Amino acid sequence: ETGVTQTPRHLVMGMTNKKSLKCEQHLGHNAMYWYKQSAKKPLELMFVYNFKEQTENNSVPSRFSPECPNSSHLFLHLHTLQPEDSALYLCASSRPGLAAYNEQFFGPGTRLTVL
Amino acid sequence: AQKITQTQPGMFVQEKEAVTLDCTYDTSDQSYGLFWYKQPSSGEMIFLIYQGSYDEQNATEGRYSLNFQKARKSANLVISASQLGDSAMYFCAMREGGSGGGADGLTFGKGTHLIIQP
Repeated sequence: ETGVTQTPRHLVMGMTNKKSLKCEQHLGHNAMYWYKQSAKKPLELMFVYNFKEQTENNSVPSRFSPECPNSSHLFLHLHTLQPEDSALYLCASSRPGLAAYNEQFFGPGTRLTVL
Repeated sequence: AQKITQTQPGMFVQEKEAVTLDCTYDTSDQSYGLFWYKQPSSGEMIFLIYQGSYDEQNATEGRYSLNFQKARKSANLVISASQLGDSAMYFCAMREGGSGGGADGLTFGKGTHLIIQP
């Protein structure tokens, strides 16, 4: 596996279910990100992890719970979601540093549908 | 106020023509970076080109170039000799000089849906 992988690629869940999204990066990066892409809205940053520590939570509801056990893996635990949470969830990673250049590499995303 | 504005929701362009996708941004930071990503129908975001706020030369990557006009806060993407495979959503994004130790999220525009016609 190369680059950034995400599983599952598609997920359908009920509002009372608990599920998890997984992201894995094989690039040796130390920063990882979760973004949400809803229809007709710009990508929204959700969480940022730098060296396994959460550095940003962009006012995300608590029904989304991230976990970063190491620099290569990032999870998004989901529980009691709402239909409006249906979206494409994208994971990204980057090599942090003080340089302004900080290209983020994205995974293919998980298409989530909440019924 | 939007930090990244892309005013073209959709564009139709004839194959082999050049195309310019508009992007304006708003920031009070002196140090920032501007990115363009391509998103095909498969969903994956593909990095195209980067321009730093202190870069004096416009960035170029193959058929992609970035027309950076700092005073106007404009960072338009130019695709030369368009191809059918260029059909996709294109997003302009900005990274501001944050406090995340270099791990700062990107702010994206709403995107432009580019369709290349044969």
